[in-house]
Amino acid sequence: DQQVKQNSPSLSVQEGRISILNCDYTNSMFDYFLWYKKYPAEGPTFLISISSIKDKNEDGRFTVFLNKSAKHLSLHIVPSQPGDSAVYFCAACGSSNTGKLIFGQGTTLQVKP
Amino acid sequence: SAVISQKPSRDICQRGTSLTIQCQVDSQVTMMFWYRQQPGQSLTLIATANQGSEATYESGFVIDKFPISRPNLTFSTLTVSNMSPEDSSIYLCSVEGWYGTDTQYFGPGTRLTVL
Repeated sequence: DQQVKQNSPSLSVQEGRISILNCDYTNSMFDYFLWYKKYPAEGPTFLISISSIKDKNEDGRFTVFLNKSAKHLSLHIVPSQPGDSAVYFCAACGSSNTGKLIFGQGTTLQVKP
Repeated sequence: SAVISQKPSRDICQRGTSLTIQCQVDSQVTMMFWYRQQPGQSLTLIATANQGSEATYESGFVIDKFPISRPNLTFSTLTVSNMSPEDSSIYLCSVEGWYGTDTQYFGPGTRLTVL
């Protein structure tokens, strides 16, 4: 049972444009959501997170939106840069499962110069 | 965030052998975790490494196959025992961030290939 889903395995955008990565979840007990970026041969790097009490969190070029009723979150990167090309994972956890992050399958983002 | 290192960074092992992976953090942390990323797959939590007590394993993972040590608040090891080609994965340790958040920070990973 895939509790966190990233339905788009890959995304290609032009440099300077907006990248939108999507993530859906099924467990209504999740209350904290995170996005990680992963380059080949490296560990995941934390990007941004959002608590279920918010619907938006922004950090520089990265904004995460949370729609609890739809059990959907998205990561917006604007403007996209070639260095953003990586695999992006969304992850979720619930207060009843402290420390257990459930990851999506990842979306490979390619930003073309 | 803490600086996390893992050793080895990669290894190629023979079927039936065991490999111990080390995870070192530059500051004391309460929570440490071990994950696996199989080829083309997402990250899956193996276990929580508890300091001074037995690790807490997730469904599908057992202590005999993945023994874990956590002798202090800055160090942990994961052993992959009696390896088979299906154990070929990237193994990652992570630590929880500052108190009050569930953000985890990951080490660089250990890429294991079993022949």
